[in-house]
Amino acid sequence: DIQMTQSPSTLSASVGDRVTITCRASQSISSWLAWYQQKPGKAPKLLIYKASSLESGVPSRFSGSGSGTEFTLTISSLQPDDFATYYCQQYNTYWTFGQGTKVEIK
Amino acid sequence: EVQLVESGGDLVQPGGSLRLSCSASGFTFSSYAMHWVRQAPGKGLEYVSAITTNGDGTYYADSVKGRFTISRDNSKNTLYLQMSSLRAEDTAVYYCVKKKPGLAPFDYWGQGTLVIVSS
Repeated sequence: DIQMTQSPSTLSASVGDRVTITCRASQSISSWLAWYQQKPGKAPKLLIYKASSLESGVPSRFSGSGSGTEFTLTISSLQPDDFATYYCQQYNTYWTFGQGTKVEIK
Repeated sequence: EVQLVESGGDLVQPGGSLRLSCSASGFTFSSYAMHWVRQAPGKGLEYVSAITTNGDGTYYADSVKGRFTISRDNSKNTLYLQMSSLRAEDTAVYYCVKKKPGLAPFDYWGQGTLVIVSS
């Protein structure tokens, strides 16, 4: 099974900050990686797919990069609506989620 | 508009059974593989199960293999998850999820239904 490891688990940041979250796969997944945003009591929302493709309707301040085993999600300028938990997911071989990164207000 | 509406969540005793349903609309249900993902209270997302478009292929996470059965009725646009031998660790919100075709991420999620396994 492919394991996904996110870091950090929690991130404290301020509005306007540049934020980066890392996701590592236990084996190569090419670019078959997605990022989701989840707010309390809500279902996850797709942000990024194929490592760097922005889902329709998602603000351009979100970007993704990486391939193989190392991936990053970057929020260029954190907005109040972005405080949430973020999950990476591999879909190269079946499906596995990272453990999540909570972005909280500093 | 794509809609996925789960139902059937309840409080059930350990060892008991429960069937979840997911009613789909706004897309051609029979053309898409469907999935279940769960989230224990305060925890992360855990992949549970998948089923192919016509139901002839299924996949289960090791944690539920042999206890859960996924199925679908394309004539009713409905996805099911039959859960048996339930354990406390199965307590979670269960999401019905649609995936884009091919090697693709999950693009639509239901609102979830809560299953509590407790005596």
